[in-house]
Amino acid sequence: QVQLQQSGPGLVKPSQTLSLTCAISGDSVSSNSAAWNWIRQSPSRGLEWLGRTYYRSKWYNEYAVSVKSRVTINPDTSKNQFSLQLSSVTPEDTSIYYCARALMGAIKDWGQGTLVTVSS
Amino acid sequence: QSVLTQPPSASGTPGQRVTISCSGSSSNVGRNTVNWYQQLPGTAPKLLIYTNNQRPSGVPDRFSGSKSGTSASLAISGLQSEDEADYYCAAWDDRLIGWLFGGGTKLTVL
Repeated sequence: QVQLQQSGPGLVKPSQTLSLTCAISGDSVSSNSAAWNWIRQSPSRGLEWLGRTYYRSKWYNEYAVSVKSRVTINPDTSKNQFSLQLSSVTPEDTSIYYCARALMGAIKDWGQGTLVTVSS
Repeated sequence: QSVLTQPPSASGTPGQRVTISCSGSSSNVGRNTVNWYQQLPGTAPKLLIYTNNQRPSGVPDRFSGSKSGTSASLAISGLQSEDEADYYCAAWDDRLIGWLFGGGTKLTVL
C-alpha cells in the first residue's frame, strides 16, 4: 500500500516561492508505471491539477497551462520523493495542496493535504 | 482552465438510488476513461470508481459508474447516511494535456 507524506510551510508571503515535498513509501518515484502529481483545491477554483513528473526511460514533466510559467515539479530519487515549487505567489494561490500518485489511467492515491496560505 | 460539468447538489432519502452526472467534451470524457472520487469533510479525495465502472477493493457495490459519449454518471443505490459527501469526476484531457476535474456535487442524505 503506497503512502504519500507531505511536508512544507503553511504560510508563504506574496511574491515568494511556495515549496512542498511529498515523500513516497510503498513505491518508487522512478517507477515505470506511475506518475507523480500535484493538485490543489480551493473554494473558488475547485480541484485543479498543477502538473506531474514521471519516468519512462527518462524523466518527463507536464504542467497545467494556468501555472506553467511559475511551476516546477522535481523528482528526488535519492530520497524517493518529489517536490512542488510555485513562484511569485499571490493570495489567489491560497489552497489545500495535495500530492498524488496516478496509475493505469487514474489518480489512485493522495497525500494528506497541506493548507498553504499566501499572506504577508 | 475548463472543468467537467457536474450538478452542484443532489439529495435522496436512505435506501433511495441517486445519480450524479458529469459532462465533458471530445478531448476528455469522449476520449478517455472517467474516474470518480468521494471526499468527506477535512479529508483528501478517495478513489471510488476508475476506468468508467471499476471499483477499487473495499468500495461497496452500491456504487457504480457508466459512460456514454462525452457524459458519465455515478450511481449510488441503497443510499446511506455515511454517503453524505462531495463527489467529483475526473478525466485526462488530450488537448490540454492534463487532468480535469468536475466542479463537485454535494450529496445530502435527507
